[in-house]
Amino acid sequence: DADVTQTPRNRITKTGKRIMLECSQTKGHDRMYWYRQDPGLGLRLIYYSFDVKDINKGEISDGYSVSRQAQAKFSLSLESAIPNQTALYFCATRGQVQETQYFGPGTRLLVL
Amino acid sequence: AQTVTQSQPEMSVQEAETVTLSCTYDTSESDYYLFWYKQPPSRQMILVIRQEAYKQQNATENRFSVNFQKAAKSFSLKISDSQLGDAAMYFCAYRSAGGGGADGLTFGKGTHLIIQP
Repeated sequence: DADVTQTPRNRITKTGKRIMLECSQTKGHDRMYWYRQDPGLGLRLIYYSFDVKDINKGEISDGYSVSRQAQAKFSLSLESAIPNQTALYFCATRGQVQETQYFGPGTRLLVL
Repeated sequence: AQTVTQSQPEMSVQEAETVTLSCTYDTSESDYYLFWYKQPPSRQMILVIRQEAYKQQNATENRFSVNFQKAAKSFSLKISDSQLGDAAMYFCAYRSAGGGGADGLTFGKGTHLIIQP
């Protein structure tokens, strides 16, 4: 089984709709991250969390919110989706004493 | 803020040959980590190799090795004996080791590697 899972894997939604992307991990890591990937731009950090009570904004947090429901779960929400939020979204995790981030399989989101 | 630059949008190499992907970065920090990630068509992000800035020795993982030049802020990836399965997007990434600033990876825009059979 995969250590970092994301649901859904693909999603099509309409402008103005609320949507939630979910991430779960079985690695026991305390740190979790959400990134966005656009063609030709690489990945950019949206939010990150050190633990359930510690959530921080990344480079491009506007238009997004997150919830850390438990150590193993970190959700990303788009309160009112817009077309320029069409992208590939990745969740990642890292242990406190580890240097490597481990990525989920990604969620492809299309906002019409 | 740190920046990572990959100046080669696309590279092509013959199978079994060697190819080098370039990466430069800009930082005022002395302690940090550098990574190369591979993204095949499956879109999964896979760690290829990691380098700690405090280590002078270049990291090596089987056919993959890096040339880390700290003073020049350069971190290139060499792939030896290229295989068809190496075809992918390759991303260079930076992470600060310090306590200040955002805790996350800063990525370059990627290099698309094509392997010619």
